[in-house]
Order: sequence, then structure tokens, then C-alpha cells
Amino acid sequence: EVQLVESGGGLVQPGRSLKLSCAASGFTFSNYYMAWVRQAPKKGLEWVATISTSGSRTYYPDSVKGRFTISRDNAKSSLYLQMNSLKSEDTATYYCARHNSGYGDYFDYWGQGVMVTVSS
Amino acid sequence: DIQMTQSPASLSASLEEIVTITCQPSQDIGNYLSWYQQKPGKSPQLLIHSATSLADGVPSRFSGSRSGTQYSLKINRLQVEDTGIYYCLQGYSAPWTFGGGTKLELK
Repeated sequence: EVQLVESGGGLVQPGRSLKLSCAASGFTFSNYYMAWVRQAPKKGLEWVATISTSGSRTYYPDSVKGRFTISRDNAKSSLYLQMNSLKSEDTATYYCARHNSGYGDYFDYWGQGVMVTVSS
Repeated sequence: DIQMTQSPASLSASLEEIVTITCQPSQDIGNYLSWYQQKPGKSPQLLIHSATSLADGVPSRFSGSRSGTQYSLKINRLQVEDTGIYYCLQGYSAPWTFGGGTKLELK
């Protein structure tokens, strides 16, 4: 059974940093792209970052480019999201997701999510 | 960036009714479209990928289709457990973008 478990969320002041983690199990982690998707309170879904199987390629939307860094440790089956220079608009539930990049791209498994609140 | 226009924004339907939700991309995305269901307080779940392929474990009353540049999610014989918010996602090119969501409630 595929499992994705996020951790590391919490309350952080604007301008500060936070690092999220995602522990994966139930599949060969190193064979899959991985992603982070967020959802602001009462809002829709927004893709935040994707990383290739080896970690050599990363992708970000303009809203977080230069502030967020996605990384992975295939030996530990773990995914990370380093978030710097946080803004109030980064307040959201952050989901770790398996990014299936075969015929088109989609997110086939999701974690339970972790809440990040950016506020003074 | 590819914009995804999803409609309707909300929908109220009766048990056993047929429900259809649509998504229109701002440019051609081929069959690179997926659909997700999100129940209150839960994470999204994949329903359909590649426009028409049912994800593992998803009931057969869910189906996806494409007509030209319009994509549809159809729920046959609506059940109580189908209430929630539905999203489409274009998987053609980064930044991968979601539709605004359709909130489905029981009448």
C-alpha cells in the first residue's frame, strides 16, 4: 500500500523559513517523480514543486521560484520542501504527492497534508 | 501558463442522478487531463487520468471523456459518498494547473 506521510508544518513568522518532510513507503521511491501541492484555506489546489527521480531536475511555478527548494533522499525514501522568505500567502495545507510522468503528468497518490501558517 | 476553466462551480443533484462536470483548457492539452475528488477534511484522490482512464479502485460509475477541447467527468447514479469537491488538472506542461473546482452536494 502506497503511503505518504508529511511532517514539519506549523506556525512561522513572515520572512522566516520552514522545511517540510514526506516519508514514502509501499512503492519504489527512486522510480518516481515526486511533488508538493498546496491548498490555501477554503481555496483550490496549487502545484508547488516537482523533482525528477534522481533529483537532477526540479520544477516550480513562478509563485515560489527562488524561495522554495524541493529535494529528495532516495536512500531514505524521503521528500523535502525547504521554504524560505515565507509570505502570508504561503499559508496552506501542503500535500506530498507521487507525480506520475508517464502518458501526461498527474498525481496518483497523496499524503494527508500538513498545515503551514505564516503569521506574525 | 495553461488556464483551466471548470464548470459549474457548484452543483446540487439527487441520489441516482447523472452528474457532469466540465473543464476547458486555454490551449490544446491532448489527453493529458486528470480528475480528482476531495472529500471534506481529506486529501484529494485521483479518479481519472489520461482523460478517460479510470484510476485503480475507483467505482465504474465515474467516467471521463473528451469532446474536442472540452473534457468531462461523468458520475452515473450519484451516491451519498460522491459529495465533495472535484478538480481537473492539465498534465500537458509545467506549470501544471488545476481547475477552480466544482462543489457537489446532494439535493
